[in-house]
Amino acid sequence: ILNVEQSPQSLHVQEGDSTNFTCSFPSSNFYALHWYRWETAKSPEALFVMTLNGDEKKKGRISATLNTKEGYSYLYIKGSQPEDSATYLCAHISGYSTLTFGKGTMLLVSP
Amino acid sequence: GAGVSQSPSNKVTEKGKDVELRCDPISGHTALYWYRQRLGQGLEFLIYFQGNSAPDKSGLPSDRFSAERTGESVSTLTIQRTQQEDSAVYLCASSFGGLAGGAEQFFGPGTRLTVL
Repeated sequence: ILNVEQSPQSLHVQEGDSTNFTCSFPSSNFYALHWYRWETAKSPEALFVMTLNGDEKKKGRISATLNTKEGYSYLYIKGSQPEDSATYLCAHISGYSTLTFGKGTMLLVSP
Repeated sequence: GAGVSQSPSNKVTEKGKDVELRCDPISGHTALYWYRQRLGQGLEFLIYFQGNSAPDKSGLPSDRFSAERTGESVSTLTIQRTQQEDSAVYLCASSFGGLAGGAEQFFGPGTRLTVL
């Protein structure tokens, strides 16, 4: 993998469903992986900064895992709510100032 | 405490004109980044400032783009002779320390630039 890829591109779920997204990145030159939540008309908001292989982080109903050896991270949302509707971005940091974003996963949660 | 602020929030300009976008980072943040997102594209890195070090300009798309930062405070991104392909949301972010060290990045609200 040469670039940062996110899947799926978009997702539409019902309130209460649990969901997960994938971020794939080059496994070489790994420094950190960021997850952001970006709501329409707002600034991207950092969810997690992950630096170590095997990292698992949790914030409320949202959690993330990291596998630097195989180059992927998963973001999980348990019991999705309409307010979770946003674009979820991951960013791979491969150098002191080298940061590459994926194109994001757009999540829509219907009541 | 104030977050990252950007001005203007919206800018409409005519092709060929110069524009200047401003970013005020969080006080004390040593690192400052500029990104842009064009329609249908991902976030694209433009330039990075860290303290008094020479900026990393590797993401600037052409020599029409330039940026300055005064010490560890305000930054301005200047686009000369704007083209329609420069239309995008320009985002600024700041962090305390470099991202490679695990620092968290805080984004401003962005400037939406439309070049007619």
